[in-house]
Amino acid sequence: DGGITQSPKYLFRKEGQNVTLSCEQNLNHDAMYWYRQDPGQGLRLIYYSQIVNDFQKGDIAEGYSVSREKKESFPLTVTSAQKNPTAFYLCASNPWGQGNQPQHFGDGTRLSIL
Amino acid sequence: AQKITQTQPGMFVQEKEAVTLDCTYDTSDQSYGLFWYKQPSSGEMIFLIYQGSYDEQNATEGRYSLNFQKARKSANLVISASQLGDSAMYFCAMRGLQSGGSYIPTFGRGTSLIVHP
Repeated sequence: DGGITQSPKYLFRKEGQNVTLSCEQNLNHDAMYWYRQDPGQGLRLIYYSQIVNDFQKGDIAEGYSVSREKKESFPLTVTSAQKNPTAFYLCASNPWGQGNQPQHFGDGTRLSIL
Repeated sequence: AQKITQTQPGMFVQEKEAVTLDCTYDTSDQSYGLFWYKQPSSGEMIFLIYQGSYDEQNATEGRYSLNFQKARKSANLVISASQLGDSAMYFCAMRGLQSGGSYIPTFGRGTSLIVHP
């Protein structure tokens, strides 16, 4: 079955450490997204990418970085500059240019500070 | 800029009854889409229903229907015959056409629904 795979499910970060969250999709979708979810808040957009080797900042990109070297993969790095990284991170994808298509989501990664 | 407002942080409903979850939106886009997603405690986001801004009729998907009132900019989700498995967070989202042909989504803060037996 096609879908989005996020790993790991749980991740712990030490102070001053960069960590990378994996997101892989086999849906042949062009557009991919990273969201951050905090308790009591909705999903906030961190970065998105419409095509390989191109990505744009979302609303809360500071302290995060991404790459899009392959269509299937859109990893997110939480850098040490992100001072409050504890949150639930969701990766999503959808066909590009089709606004009536829902986003497909992975199962999420829960990041905590040690 | 797009904005989604969900004014009900939490809702309670008796099993087998209907419940309405409110969603209002603000956008200057002429073409946009409205989505509802369900998020159980396990965390995955499940797509429920879609309404396009040019759709004349309200969308329905099984027990889910969307009460779309364009002039009032509201897109309320109606769940009929609630089941215990409907207990979850529900998010309203909107995607409007941006420059370059991309659709950037905006999510509301969500409504927590608890279904009582």
